[in-house]
Amino acid sequence: DVKVTQSSRYLVKRTGEKVFLECVQDMDHENMFWYRQDPGLGLRLIYFSYDVKMKEKGDIPEGYSVSREKKERFSLILESASTNQTSMYLCASSSDRPLYEQYFGPGTRLTVT
Amino acid sequence: KQEVTQIPAALSVPEGENLVLNCSFTDSAIYNLQWFRQDPGKGLTSLLLIQSSQREQTSGRLNASLDKSSGRSTLYIAASQPGDSATYLCAVTGTASKLTFGTGTRLQVTL
Repeated sequence: DVKVTQSSRYLVKRTGEKVFLECVQDMDHENMFWYRQDPGLGLRLIYFSYDVKMKEKGDIPEGYSVSREKKERFSLILESASTNQTSMYLCASSSDRPLYEQYFGPGTRLTVT
Repeated sequence: KQEVTQIPAALSVPEGENLVLNCSFTDSAIYNLQWFRQDPGKGLTSLLLIQSSQREQTSGRLNASLDKSSGRSTLYIAASQPGDSATYLCAVTGTASKLTFGTGTRLQVTL
């Protein structure tokens, strides 16, 4: 079974702090994704990566950056956390052609105070 | 830009009923369509994936169909149980392996 793990289930940070969210997958997938999920807005793509050291902006990249130094690990970085970044953050990985099936981690509930 | 719509937004049914959840999308150029389940406060669990060349997929009491030309998919749940209560999301994979999600259908199965 594919397993995607995220470093924390719950996280509380203060405004202005630098925040790291870590995601690890164990299926040698090429593609990895970071989403945030908010009530009424659904899931929105922040960043994704096709390969090590590759990254692409998603729909809402502002205020975030990412790092992919190893194939199995994809990190989301909030350079200076703000209250409007309070959200559920979901990481996913997927195989390449032909299926592109995405598998999700359990999520990190981040609260910025 | 791809848009995915799910109807209804919420549904409550008594245990044992068969039910259908609907998903529509605006751009038929998709690689696949996935149905997910999400329990409150949790991540997404993949239920079924239908490739663009397929018409349907089945897993246990779940059956998903895909009509790519009309931009529609349905998820059929047979003999619903209280444990089926969750939010169901459909998502389509377009270019660059990116998913576009619908806003979900919140299902409650009552005793």
